Amino acid sequence: QSALTQPRSVSGSPGQSVTISCTGTSSDVGAYNYVSWYQQHPGKAPKLMIYDVSERPSGVPDRFSGSKSGNTASLTISGLQAEDEADYYCCSYAGRYLLMFGGGTKLTVL
Amino acid sequence: EVQLVESGGDLVQPGGSMRLSCAASGFTISGYWMHWVRQAPGKGLVWVSRINSDGSSTSYADSVKGRFTISRDNAKNTLYLQMNSLRAEDTAVYYCARGKSTTGDSWGQGTLVTVSS
Repeated sequence: QSALTQPRSVSGSPGQSVTISCTGTSSDVGAYNYVSWYQQHPGKAPKLMIYDVSERPSGVPDRFSGSKSGNTASLTISGLQAEDEADYYCCSYAGRYLLMFGGGTKLTVL
Repeated sequence: EVQLVESGGDLVQPGGSMRLSCAASGFTISGYWMHWVRQAPGKGLVWVSRINSDGSSTSYADSVKGRFTISRDNAKNTLYLQMNSLRAEDTAVYYCARGKSTTGDSWGQGTLVTVSS
C-alpha cells in the first residue's frame, strides 16, 4: 500500500483560490468515487471537509469544493481566509476493503 | 453533542500489548461504521482499521493485519483496538472516528501510544 501523492505545501493570499491535488492510481482514486478530504490544525483532530469526491458535510463553507479527473482528485479552496491555514489530507477507498490517505499538504495563507 | 473520547494509550515495550478504547456520547455507535486512524509524531494520517455497524465485518491495513484487532460493544457505546506484538513504528496518536465505510465524519482527540524500551 503506497500513500496517495499530495504536494508537500501550497500557499495563497487571502481572497485567492488554491487547489490541492491528490494523485493515486486506477486501483484507488481512479476506480471509486470515495475520496474524502480532511483539514487538521496543529494539535487538533482532523475534520471532514469533503466526502464522496465532491459532497460537503453540513457546516463546511461552500468555499471548499472537491472534484476528480482520472486518477487525480482535487480540493479547491476559494476566497482564502487566515483560518484555512492547516494541513489537508485526502483519503480514498483502495479496494480490498482498505482505505488510504495521502501524505498531507501544508496550506500557508500569506 | 457528538463526542468521541479515546483512552488507553501509554508507554509499552516492543513486543507488548495494549488495548485502546473509544467511548462515544451524544449518539449511538450502532448506526455507524467506526474507524481507527493513527498519526506518528510529525507525520501524516494513516488508516488502521474499520468495523461495520454490527461488528460482522472488519478490515485492516497491511501493516497491522494479524497483530491488531478492532471490536465494538454497541451496548456500552464503545469501540476498541487490541494491539499485540507492538513495534517502535506503531508509536503514534491513535484517533477513532465514526462515519460510513469510507469516511470519518466525527473524530476524537486521540490517545498517544509510545512503543519503546
